[in-house]
Amino acid sequence: AQSVTQPDIHITVSEGASLELRCNYSYGATPYLFWYVQSPGQGLQLLLKYFSGDTLVQGIKGFEAEFKRSQSSFNLRKPSVHWSDAAEYFCAVAKNTGFQKLVFGTGTRLLVSP
Amino acid sequence: NAGVTQTPKFQVLKTGQSMTLQCAQDMNHNSMYWYRQDPGMGLRLIYYSASEGTTDKGEVPNGYNVSRLNKREFSLRLESAAPSQTSVYFCASTTFGIGGLGKETQYFGPGTRLLVL
Repeated sequence: AQSVTQPDIHITVSEGASLELRCNYSYGATPYLFWYVQSPGQGLQLLLKYFSGDTLVQGIKGFEAEFKRSQSSFNLRKPSVHWSDAAEYFCAVAKNTGFQKLVFGTGTRLLVSP
Repeated sequence: NAGVTQTPKFQVLKTGQSMTLQCAQDMNHNSMYWYRQDPGMGLRLIYYSASEGTTDKGEVPNGYNVSRLNKREFSLRLESAAPSQTSVYFCASTTFGIGGLGKETQYFGPGTRLLVL
């Protein structure tokens, strides 16, 4: 069965600094990978997804993620963090059979300091 | 276009009480999902409906029932609430549930916060 690990529960980054959130997955075949963001009191919003092709994926709000098969990782990056990026971020993996097989990580809470 | 809407936003129940969480989407999506979110855990799928007239169990279906009333609406019912069902419940929808993940985006509602005493 597929699984997702987000090793960092909390991360604090200064505004304007770069960000990298880690995500490792376990899955036997080529995975479908997703990053979601959840602002306080809100539902989840899709930031980006990888399903094939270029391993560097661009998303909304200036985020990008890189799929590294050799490391079973799909880390999320942003070159310059804004205060409005403070939120919880979830990595997820799925089989090609559909969203009903989507497995979420436990999330990383991002705090942005002035 | 309201997207995915959920009612109520917040509910307090006593153990043994029943209630129905409502979800509606106005995007003409075929597939709808119910998740629960607990502290320190990712979202877990309770039930889903790949299309109107069908429902299937997800990872944690025990203690819940669902109804796909029509293409727009997908409700989640707790027949006899237990404290272990204290959680935040999210409804989501996609155009297709089977395959096509590369072309699909899953849209989430704002959630219902449920407290069972």
